Amino acid sequence: QVQLQESGPGLVKASETLSLTCTVSLSSLSRSYWGWVRQPPGRGLQWIGYIYYNSGYTSYHPSLVSRATISVGTSESQFSLHLRSVTAADTGVYFCARGSMSSPATFDTWGQGTHVTVSS
Amino acid sequence: ETRLTQSPVTLSLSPGEGATLSCRASQTISSTFLAWYQQKPGQAPRLLIYGASTRTAGTPDRFSGGGSGTDFTLTISKLQPEDFAVYYCHHSQTFGQGTTVEI
Repeated sequence: QVQLQESGPGLVKASETLSLTCTVSLSSLSRSYWGWVRQPPGRGLQWIGYIYYNSGYTSYHPSLVSRATISVGTSESQFSLHLRSVTAADTGVYFCARGSMSSPATFDTWGQGTHVTVSS
Repeated sequence: ETRLTQSPVTLSLSPGEGATLSCRASQTISSTFLAWYQQKPGQAPRLLIYGASTRTAGTPDRFSGGGSGTDFTLTISKLQPEDFAVYYCHHSQTFGQGTTVEI
């Protein structure tokens, strides 16, 4: 069964860029969609976006499209999230996930999540 | 952007009882892309149902999904202790705010 693991700094300063990497237990991420979801403390889920590995096609939530970039990693088993100009509102748990074949925006396998705090 | 409104916010039930969770979309959506997730404290969400009514492998058959258009439901026929959790409906770029099923 495929496994995903998020990694990155747990603390980011306001106005800087949050960068996270997702490492997948596969030799290649091809022919699949890979995405990110976040969860502010004590709140619900927010869909961030996804990338189709083969083409690099991306889709982002309208509220984040100007600040978010999802990209494939230097390793064929990794993909990344970069979120620019962060504020305290970007604090939360960030999950990476795999898009399902029935719908790329529906995530069928998830990482355990990584906590990110934005400090002022 | 489609909004998803879940009700009730909290459902207080006992093991063995049935539960019906509602998800209402602000406009007609395709049931093909309507999914339900379960999340327990400190854990990642788990996909239970996609395509409005198709259970994922490993989802017990006491969970069933239905609906179309703007109104969708998740039904749990007989609550087991492990079913007490938060449930989210999801479509495309939007999650509902969640329903907490508590003992």
